[in-house]
Parts: sequence; structure tokens; C-alpha cells
Amino acid sequence: DQQVKQNSPSLSVQEGRISILNCDYTNSMFDYFLWYKKYPAEGPTFLISISSIKDKNEDGRFTVFLNKSAKHLSLHIVPSQPGDSAVYFCAASAKDNQGGKLIFGQGTELSVKP
Amino acid sequence: DSGVTQTPKHLITATGQRVTLRCSPRSGDLSVYWYQQSLDQGLQFLIQYYNGEERAKGNILERFSAQQFPDLHSELNLSSLELGDSALYFCASSKDQGTWPQHFGDGTRLSIL
Repeated sequence: DQQVKQNSPSLSVQEGRISILNCDYTNSMFDYFLWYKKYPAEGPTFLISISSIKDKNEDGRFTVFLNKSAKHLSLHIVPSQPGDSAVYFCAASAKDNQGGKLIFGQGTELSVKP
Repeated sequence: DSGVTQTPKHLITATGQRVTLRCSPRSGDLSVYWYQQSLDQGLQFLIQYYNGEERAKGNILERFSAQQFPDLHSELNLSSLELGDSALYFCASSKDQGTWPQHFGDGTRLSIL
């Protein structure tokens, strides 16, 4: 049962353009969502998060949008840079979860071409 | 650098053996989480400790156990190892639990021969 899904295994974008990474979830109890970036041979690096009381959070070139009715979130990267090339994971945690464990999607590999 | 330290980086051992993976959380973080990433799979939550106490369990095998010590470092013990246990094991830490981001170490790559 995949509670967090990233349906696009890969995405290719031109440098300077917008990258949009998508994530869908099924559990309506999720109340906190995060995006991580992962380079090979490194651990996931936290990028940005959003709680369910908001629909948008922005940090520099990164913006996360949350659509609770559609159970969908997206990460926008503007402008995209070659250094953004990595695997991006979305993750979620549930309010009924005492521990705060994260449920991860399968990841989307972003390639930003110069 | 996330501030989370995992040792060793690589571990090669044989079936039936036992290994211990170590994690030092970021300074000030009370929660430690362990995740497993097998080939072609996303990160799967194993277990969480908060200030020395077990707080949440995922699909962790009975052959696996963990603990968090008074200095807040954590160890994940894997015993009676099988070929299918070959994976990347990540440790993450957070200030508290709930709406706090988790910061990950670079993982321990376990290879079972």
C-alpha cells in the first residue's frame, strides 16, 4: 500500500526554466509534508516543508504547494540550475503518529540540462 | 553536512552474522529514526527513539533491534543476516517529533555475501 506516490520516475528540464515535481498521497491523516534532495552516495538533504494548515511555503528558489482536497503536493524550482540535478523525494507524516515517522515516495530523478 | 554521523560507511559480511550500525544525531536533537533503502525501493521506516525511549516501530524484522543511549547516540543491531538484508541504512534525527524536519546521515551500505 503506497501511501505516498511520485508517479514520474524522471524529469528533464532546461537550465533557467521551472521544474515541477509532483507527489500524491492517500492518507488524509497526513499533516506535515517534506521534500528532500538526494545525491548519489549521500543521505537525503532536507529542502522544504509544509504543514497541512498552509497551502504554500516558499524558500528562495523552492516553493511547495499543498492541495489538500486533491491530496496533492508539488515542488517548484525556479529557476532550475544544473546543480539541482538529483533525486527528489516527497515525504509525509501523520497527526495520529506519535513518533513522527516519515512515509516516503519512490523519488523523481531531476536532470537540469545546461 | 547534516550534522548526523553514521559509522561505518560500508560493511561487508556473510549470512548468519551480526552487525551493529551506529548513529550520532545532530547536536540538540532528541529523536533518532532508522530507515532502510533496499535496491529499487524508497526509504522504509524501521524504528524511532525519543530521548532514550522507543516511540514508534515500522516494519522492522524481529532479527533487528535498536537502542538509544543516554548521550543520545543510537545503534541498530542486525542479526542472523540474510542476503535480502543488503541495503542502505539511514539514520535521521530531529529536534522533537511531529512538525520538525528530519536530517539524515549519509548512511551505512550493508552488503551480505
